[in-house]
Order: sequence, then C-alpha cells, then structure tokens
Amino acid sequence: AQTVTQSQPEMSVQEAETVTLSCTYDTSENNYYLFWYKQPPSRQMILVIRQEAYKQQNATENRFSVNFQKAAKSFSLKISDSQLGDTAMYFCAFSKAAGNKLTFGGGTRVLVKP
Amino acid sequence: EADIYQTPRYLVIGTGKKITLECSQTMGHDKMYWYQQDPGMELHLIHYSYGVNSTEKGDLSSESTVSRIRTEHFPLTLESARPSHTSQYLCASSELDTSSYNEQFFGPGTRLTVL
Repeated sequence: AQTVTQSQPEMSVQEAETVTLSCTYDTSENNYYLFWYKQPPSRQMILVIRQEAYKQQNATENRFSVNFQKAAKSFSLKISDSQLGDTAMYFCAFSKAAGNKLTFGGGTRVLVKP
Repeated sequence: EADIYQTPRYLVIGTGKKITLECSQTMGHDKMYWYQQDPGMELHLIHYSYGVNSTEKGDLSSESTVSRIRTEHFPLTLESARPSHTSQYLCASSELDTSSYNEQFFGPGTRLTVL
C-alpha cells in the first residue's frame, strides 16, 4: 500500500516571498503520478501541479514548481512570489499509473501574510 | 460549463435520520469518488465507481452506501446518521483512460453535522 507523508502541518510566508512544502511517499511501483492539490478556505479542491514518475524534468506551472527526487521518494512544492490568494491547505497525492485512486497526505496549511 | 456539483452544501440533522448526499458531474467522466475529510485533516477514500452499476469500497471503512445508476450521478446514503458521521464529504470524478494524468476534479463538498 502507498503512503504519503507531509511533515509540515502549517507554514507561513510573507507576501512575495517563497515557500517550499515537503512531501515524501512510499511505493513499490515504478510508474506513478504525483499531484499537489490546493484547498482554499472555500473548500473546493483544485489541482495545482502534477508529475509523472517516468519524467525526470520537474513540472512547473507559473509560480508553482516541484522538486521530484524519485530515488529519495520526495516531491516538494515551491510557491514563488507568494500571493494572498495562495492561502490554503495543500495536499500531496499519489496515484498508481494503472488506476485513478488517490492517496493523500495529511496536508500543509499555508498562510500568506501581507 | 462542465463541472461537478454537490448538494446540499451544508446539512444539520438529528441522529437516526436517513440522508442522501447528491453528486453530479457534467464532464462525461466514467470514474467517480467519495472522500471523507475531517476538519484540518487528510482525505480518505470511502467509495468509488468506474461506471454505471459499478461501486467499490474505498480505503476507509464507512457505514454509508453509494449507487451508480446513471453516469453523471453518484449519490451517497446514510441509512441512520450518527454524530460519528459528522464530517466533510467530497465528491470527485475523472476520466476512465488510464493513460491520462488521472486528474480528479472535485466538487465543493457537503459539510454534514449530526446532532
């Protein structure tokens, strides 16, 4: 069974600064997908960024980028130029390539301060 | 506009009542999911479906039941609600194609409080 661990329950960052969220996972699969989801206070979960395990290049989506270290089973999220709208819970998630079930980490609450 | 909907958004009921949480999606997705999320905590998969007449239990045991009679509709039912069922319930859907990114799209959630 897969497990996903987010070791930082809460982080705060000043507006315009950078924050990095950590995520580690455990799996015996060789091909899989990793995701970061954002859940703002309004509660609707949205996908921030995704990474396919067979791709070595780290994914980037505007101000969001990941550092994917497959051997270390690490998948951190970097938020650059933080904005007030980035305040939310962030969940790291894992999905096996052959199926769509997601295994989520415990979440990291990010607070962006003005 | 293609989207995923959940009703009601908030529900407060008494113990012993039967409730149904509705989830509908207009994205044409075959796969649908129900997650349970306690405040400030991780999501746990409680049910999923790969298509009409297909339902499976998820990773977290739940007393709720689901049905999938139509592709776009995936309701969750509690026959007799208890205070331990108080939680946030999130519905999600995704494409069937396993070669895709497996992105799941989430509804806004139903916050259930059982008194």
